[in-house]
Parts: sequence; structure tokens; C-alpha cells
Amino acid sequence: GIQVEQSPPDLILQEGANSTLRCNFSDSVNNLQWFHQNPWGQLINLFYIPSGTKQNGRLSATTVATERYSLLYISSSQTTDSGVYFCAVTSTGNQFYFGTGTSLTVIP
Amino acid sequence: KAGVTQTPRYLIKTRGQQVTLSCSPISGHRSVSWYQQTPGQGLQFLFEYFSETQRNKGNFPGRFSGRQFSNSRSEMNVSTLELGDSALYLCASSLEGTNYNSPLHFGNGTRLTVT
Repeated sequence: GIQVEQSPPDLILQEGANSTLRCNFSDSVNNLQWFHQNPWGQLINLFYIPSGTKQNGRLSATTVATERYSLLYISSSQTTDSGVYFCAVTSTGNQFYFGTGTSLTVIP
Repeated sequence: KAGVTQTPRYLIKTRGQQVTLSCSPISGHRSVSWYQQTPGQGLQFLFEYFSETQRNKGNFPGRFSGRQFSNSRSEMNVSTLELGDSALYLCASSLEGTNYNSPLHFGNGTRLTVT
């Protein structure tokens, strides 16, 4: 299967700060999605982004498929951004491979 | 539009018992996939169903099985429960599946504890 590595594993930010989360994957992919898991365990889809750049409010994401990485940018972080951020990829087949996640804590 | 619904939210079972978890996808979604989440192994794929057919299966023992009904609702079953099966089980639905421009939407999960 595809190996997915996320960095950093843990991140603590002051409210209002910006951050960049990274996802590296070991093989070419045709589907890449970013998710946020809130403290109650709910996984929320943030982006479908197999290539290119997308923005949604304070969040944006960029995937450089040829170099096998994706970045998630969080600007002006808020306490509600706390949780774990996962990157998930798939190539052939019908299963996603998830990274180990970045645990983000935003302190007021 | 209602989201992905998983029932029950919490389960406590004893070793050796079996358990059935249910998932109702978003209306119109035909693909349902299941994942196991544990602190040690993270999120791991169990299986994916599309139009009542299992299209892919993860690396789990045969004690883990599932099915999908004609209305796209899905169930997964775990027989002969072991302590290591304690986990959060997540169901996700999408329109067409992972190889399409089809975002994955997760339910709130079922927290299974095996004692």
C-alpha cells in the first residue's frame, strides 16, 4: 500500500497564528483529501485536492502531485481549529490510506 | 441533507461475542466504506461497498465482514470479539467511491469496547 507521512506530529499554536501541515506520500495518487477530526471524534472533509491549490476561508491546500506532497495552510488559527488533521490518499483500488495525523492545539 | 448516520454510538461487549454495526449513507451516495481507528494503528481501511458489491477489502481477519443493502445502507459484523477489536469504527460514504471526484463524508462513529 501507499505510505503516508504527516508532519509535524504535534503542533501548539497561539490563537491568531498561522501554520503549515505537510503530507508526503510514497506513490502517485489520483485522489487526496484532507480531514479534520474534532475532539469528539467527528471527521470532517476539508478538501478534495489531488493536485493544484484550493482555498476555503482561512484554510487552503496545495498538492504537488509530481513531487508527492500536499500542504494544508491554516491562517489566523482559532481554538475551534484544534483537533487532528489527516491526509488520505488513494491510487488504484477503492481504499484510502491515511496518514498518522497532525495533532493541533490552539490556545487562547 | 442528512449526514452519514451510524448506530449505535457506543457498545460494550465481552470477548467471544459478536457485534453488528449499522451505517446509513448520505442520500444518493452509493459507496460506503468502513474504517477502524485505534491509538496504535491509526485509521485502517476495512472494506468498501458499492451497489451491494464489496469492491475492496483491507487486511483484516475473516471475523470482520460486511454487507450493503439495495438502499445503500451498510452493516459490518465482527464475530468472536477480541480485546484488540476495541476501537472507533467509522463509516464513510461518497457518491461514486475513492477513484472519482467524490469527497468522503464520515459518520460520528461507533465506539466499541471489548472487555
